[in-house]
Amino acid sequence: NAGVTQTPKFQVLKTGQSMTLQCAQDMNHEYMSWYRQDPGMGLRLIHYSVGAGITDQGEVPNGYNVSRSTTEDFPLRLLSAAPSQTSVYFCASSLDRGLNTEAFFGQGTRLTVV
Amino acid sequence: AQRVTQPEKLLSVFKGAPVELKCNYSYSGSPELFWYVQYSRQRLQLLLRHISRESIKGFTADLNKGETSFHLKKPFAQEEDSAMYYCALNNDYKLSFGAGTTVTVRA
Repeated sequence: NAGVTQTPKFQVLKTGQSMTLQCAQDMNHEYMSWYRQDPGMGLRLIHYSVGAGITDQGEVPNGYNVSRSTTEDFPLRLLSAAPSQTSVYFCASSLDRGLNTEAFFGQGTRLTVV
Repeated sequence: AQRVTQPEKLLSVFKGAPVELKCNYSYSGSPELFWYVQYSRQRLQLLLRHISRESIKGFTADLNKGETSFHLKKPFAQEEDSAMYYCALNNDYKLSFGAGTTVTVRA
């Protein structure tokens, strides 16, 4: 049981390049989300999805796109990378909206934009 | 709007000493609060949730609605407690995290 898997673990991009961060979960979780982790700011929600075909914006969505064509996958696309997007990105999933549902996190993707 | 505040970025304690990580929140409804922990080279994972009223790895956290706090406590810190700790508030699927507190337990 792999849980939440993110690829790649590390990535260096040049300003203006685009790329997709992959996230997959094998727990049949409805809810998936993307966060970015920056020093002194904790984790901030980028986009989230409450099920296949349904996505919505979080706190810091600008410059990112998501789609949810299957329950398992929730890729995050950087449209035109900027140095401000240098961060560690975490994907998370949770079973449902039940009270106090636990979120399961991937191991993170460390992205550097030069 | 919901917000989570962790006033301490860094916390250093000696092994065997008590440790307390502060967390304050603002939320209009009935809060669902969690503590998550990230050990070195490991993924972020749930430590405990307020509704469970449980002690995990010797840690406890009590929800104080009057003071809007959810402080994390452990009476005797161990070296393996060195990690980054995040307080989080659940708002309809969306977790709001504090800035995190890095705890270092010295021998």
